[in-house]
Amino acid sequence: DAGITQSPRYKITETGRQVTLMCHQTWSHSYMFWYRQDLGHGLRLIYYSAAADITDKGEVPDGYVVSRSKTENFPLTLESATRSQTSVYFCASSELSGSSYNSPLHFGNGTRLTVT
Amino acid sequence: DAKTTQPPSMDCAEGRAANLPCNHSTISGNEYVYWYRQIHSQGPQYIIHGLKNNETNEMASLIITEDRKSSTLILPHATLRDTAVYYCIVRDRTASKLTFGTGTRLQVTL
Repeated sequence: DAGITQSPRYKITETGRQVTLMCHQTWSHSYMFWYRQDLGHGLRLIYYSAAADITDKGEVPDGYVVSRSKTENFPLTLESATRSQTSVYFCASSELSGSSYNSPLHFGNGTRLTVT
Repeated sequence: DAKTTQPPSMDCAEGRAANLPCNHSTISGNEYVYWYRQIHSQGPQYIIHGLKNNETNEMASLIITEDRKSSTLILPHATLRDTAVYYCIVRDRTASKLTFGTGTRLQVTL
C-alpha cells in the first residue's frame, strides 16, 4: 500500500551508541521532514530535505545527521545517542513545487526511541 | 509564521457537531490555515486547509472569518474515534515547514 513508513516502530539503545531511524515514502514527494515529539514541547522540526542531496536544519538539529541519496528515503542518524534524545520521532513528506507551498504534509506513525 | 491560540481542551457528545476554534489575529495575506489532528500514539493526520474561503471535505469543514483573524474547524457528527489533539497551524505559502503549537484536546463522550 502506498504511503510513508517508518522503521523500526520501537527501539531501545544505550547511551553513546549510533542508531538510525528509517523513513520511506512511495509517493515520490520532493520534501521530507523529521520531527520529534516530547511531552511539554510538542512536535519540533529536526531536519528537512527539499530533494535528493538537499537537506537543511530545523529547530533542533544538534546531535542528528540526515542524508537523502534517494528521493524516497530519508534516514535520521543519532551518531552518539543521549538520554535527552529519548522521544517519539515522526517522518513526513509533502509534494511542494513552484512558488506555492499549498500542499499538506503526510506523516508516518512514528518511531518510539528510548535511550538508556 | 503567525502564532495561533487554541483552547487546551474541549468536550463533545457523540453525534453532535464539534466546533474547534482557533485565533490567529496576526495572520498575513500569504498564510494558509491548516488543521491536523493526532490520535494517541499515531502520527499527525492532515484534515483540511484554507486561505480565505470556507472549505469542506469528507472529514470536516473549515470556516474562516472575513478578517481571517480566526477560524473554526467543524466535525459535523463527532464519533468516539474523533477523540484526539487538534492542531491549528498558520503556514506561509512560501514555507515548506509546519510549526505545531500545543493544540486542543478534544474528548468525545457517549
